[in-house]
Amino acid sequence: DAGVIQSPRHEVTEMGQEVTLRCKPISGHNSLFWYRQTMMRGLELLIYFNNNVPIDDSGMPEDRFSAKMPNASFSTLKIQPSEPRDSAVYFCASSLGQAAYEQYFGPGTRLTVT
Amino acid sequence: SQQGEEDPQALSIQEGENATMNCSYKTSINNLQWYRQNSGRGLVHLILIRSNEREKHSGRLRVTLDTSKKSSSLLITASRAADTASYFCATDAITGGYNKLIFGAGTRLAVHP
Repeated sequence: DAGVIQSPRHEVTEMGQEVTLRCKPISGHNSLFWYRQTMMRGLELLIYFNNNVPIDDSGMPEDRFSAKMPNASFSTLKIQPSEPRDSAVYFCASSLGQAAYEQYFGPGTRLTVT
Repeated sequence: SQQGEEDPQALSIQEGENATMNCSYKTSINNLQWYRQNSGRGLVHLILIRSNEREKHSGRLRVTLDTSKKSSSLLITASRAADTASYFCATDAITGGYNKLIFGAGTRLAVHP
């Protein structure tokens, strides 16, 4: 199994630009998570999908952030417009079952907003 | 404050020594998990221990759970340089109507050759 796939691995963009992060979960997994990791705040859950439906988006910082899961094999996290404080590593994870089960993480996307 | 908090924040040991990391949590749990994160990588699941279990082993890893003290420990025996990583505990907590996994801040382990 290829594991969770994320793209791009690195993204450098200027403030105000739109950023789209992509994730392909492990085939057969029905839960998908987007996390953000920074030194200051640690690992934060942004949004949780179960069976392609958003269950909990309370961690999405503000309206500039949006996430979609059009099908079981693909999800996007979009930031528009991006700001320097959005700089972080964004992880996608998937699990077979519900949110409290074992989660499989992708390699992450390191986002730098200048 | 966080559901799960690791202690110590950082640990530095020599190869061959044992490393012990602790995790404390606040509310009742169904399970507790430990993850490892190598620098620049995603988290990797190590072990899950259920609330009705007291101890679990996986290779050189030993996890204990004391629900009366709301604490867990992760022991890595005969450590190797490759064990250098951050280790996170994650506990489930019911928030927003579902059982959610909440990660602690992690322990940074450095194993020196």
